[in-house]
Amino acid sequence: DSGVTQTPKHLITATGQRVTLRCSPRSGDLSVYWYQQSLDQGLQFLIHYYNGEERAKGNILERFSAQQFPDLHSELNLSSLELGDSALYFCASSVESGERTEAFFGQGTRLTVV
Amino acid sequence: DQQVKQNSPSLSVQEGRISILNCDYTNSMFDYFLWYKKYPAEGPTFLISISSIKDKNEDGRFTVFLNKSAKHLSLHIVPSQPGDSAVYFCAASGGAGNTPLVFGKGTRLSVIA
Repeated sequence: DSGVTQTPKHLITATGQRVTLRCSPRSGDLSVYWYQQSLDQGLQFLIHYYNGEERAKGNILERFSAQQFPDLHSELNLSSLELGDSALYFCASSVESGERTEAFFGQGTRLTVV
Repeated sequence: DQQVKQNSPSLSVQEGRISILNCDYTNSMFDYFLWYKKYPAEGPTFLISISSIKDKNEDGRFTVFLNKSAKHLSLHIVPSQPGDSAVYFCAASGGAGNTPLVFGKGTRLSVIA
């Protein structure tokens, strides 16, 4: 158990709909990262939040948005869903420090758009 | 443009032998490298890391080697066990602070008993 909790584990929805994925980081971790893993692809970085503020953006579509709340949990909102958005979405957290440190991943949310 | 490349999608190794997984990177700013292991229906779990100031890091059966001039790293697993069968991702980061990890596409390792 990594200590990172993602809900829901599975989500099936129709094209055009909107969904919200939730992530609770490990206790004490201030950084939250969202990644997308599509079929046969590696983990694609979407967005990074640190202590409530957006730190970096990767290949995140304009239809997608995220935020990190004062209690440090994060939500990833996906709207106007398309079939191609079907993927595994992972959240990871890490402690902020001057030293390099690994990120800890949740179990992921499998999104299926039909 | 893939900054981290794992050119072997899969690898099969006999139990007890050495598994060698390879990773190449293109970004000279990367200075921290990690390997993650992923089982089906689970999130990636951290395995081992190496800083660019080192060329080798060892943790039990797992050793990571870094060749900065070739922009290449490898993960050695000795001896390989059936429980090592998983997808292995190479990841890299660079710059100050908690920069996001850039991942390769992964290599599926099968250890045959």
